[in-house]
Amino acid sequence: GESVGLHLPTLSVQEGDNSIINCAYSNSASDYFIWYKQESGKGPQFIIDIRSNMDKRQGQRVTVLLNKTVKHLSLQIAATQPGDSAVYFCAESRGGTSGSRLTFGEGTQLTVNP
Amino acid sequence: DTEVTQTPKHLVMGMTNKKSLKCEQHMGHRAMYWYKQKAKKPPELMFVYSYEKLSINESVPSRFSPECPNSSLLNLHLHALQPEDSALYLCASSLTMTGDYGYTFGSGTRLTVV
Repeated sequence: GESVGLHLPTLSVQEGDNSIINCAYSNSASDYFIWYKQESGKGPQFIIDIRSNMDKRQGQRVTVLLNKTVKHLSLQIAATQPGDSAVYFCAESRGGTSGSRLTFGEGTQLTVNP
Repeated sequence: DTEVTQTPKHLVMGMTNKKSLKCEQHMGHRAMYWYKQKAKKPPELMFVYSYEKLSINESVPSRFSPECPNSSLLNLHLHALQPEDSALYLCASSLTMTGDYGYTFGSGTRLTVV
């Protein structure tokens, strides 16, 4: 079946280290992926997105890598800060004639230790 | 205005009550979404409205009734809910019905059914 999932449910890092969060997807027709950050009691917050015609995209302290061969994407956070502690979701957007579906992976809880 | 606003933030209702959740955006987005999120789980799609018309219903029970009065407003009417319906209800919007330019989420309504 079609799914978007993450390799690890939790990740603990030291402040200042780089963090890498991984995600696997199964639908080879997927062409648009988004990473979200969700803090406790809040809605998902957009971090960065990437389309299937790209391998890499960079933002401020964040980089998303897409490997279409193995259907894998990752989120890299440079110099992780305590404020980065949250649950991170990868999500796959699939548009159709009746509208689009945004499907979330299971999420990774990132904890940044001071 | 770059936000999706949801009200109320918290709601407690009995199983015989009728209540409504409200979502508002003034970004000119033409698609709006309702998601349900249980604790420690990813958001799950419930409904999609494209150009004010219901385009996707993910087999949601009829005790949840969505309504889109205009392009800026989305309601979710609740009736005869069960305790297992307790969750965070998230509203989102996207500029286009294909979601090509990303999705903006509100902070959600925390619903408790007693």
